[in-house]
Amino acid sequence: GENVEQHPSTLSVQEGDSAVIKCTYSDSASNYFPWYKQELGKRPQLIIDIRSNVGEKKDQRIAVTLNKTAKHFSLHITETQPEDSAVYFCAAPWGFGNEKLTFGTGTRLTIIP
Amino acid sequence: DTGVSQDPRHKITKRGQNVTFRCDPISEHNRLYWYRQTLGQGPEFLTYFQNEAQLEKSRLLSDRFSAERPKGSFSTLEIQRTEQGDSAMYLCASSASTGRRLEAFFGQGTRLTVV
Repeated sequence: GENVEQHPSTLSVQEGDSAVIKCTYSDSASNYFPWYKQELGKRPQLIIDIRSNVGEKKDQRIAVTLNKTAKHFSLHITETQPEDSAVYFCAAPWGFGNEKLTFGTGTRLTIIP
Repeated sequence: DTGVSQDPRHKITKRGQNVTFRCDPISEHNRLYWYRQTLGQGPEFLTYFQNEAQLEKSRLLSDRFSAERPKGSFSTLEIQRTEQGDSAMYLCASSASTGRRLEAFFGQGTRLTVV
């Protein structure tokens, strides 16, 4: 299967500053890397993903970068706002059709007003 | 609401009882997944259906767990003879098998507490 490591486990940033969360994966065949945001008591929500044929993808204040050689990918949130406070999970697929996801252990992001 | 829905949202049961959860996926999605999430951890894969066929089961899924998707639409997850270690959030997700097939969308989950 896939092994995904995520760092840091907790992150506090001042409102308006940037936050970066990093993940590494083990299966070089993985070709899709989603990021989920989970607020307390709510469902994991897909916020951005990247496929292995690109190195970076942006969506407004969030971006994801991928380094396939080093097998790591990162989530970048710029101009952070209080509503960005949540737990963020990275994931990588595994299995014959890459349908199943292995998740990282999560990063609890706190935005300090 | 056209997202993934799960029922019940919360379930408290006594150890040794059987429980059953239901998941209704996004209507056009033919792939359905069950994950389990414990406090402070990411979701862990349990099992996966494509249409009505159960294609894979994790080693986490003991013999006390069974999942079905009889008509390729909704799915049920049953846990027999519940144990305290079964206490967790059980999440269902669905995805398409064509197009943007890798995007999995989660339901709100069923929080199980075994007392």
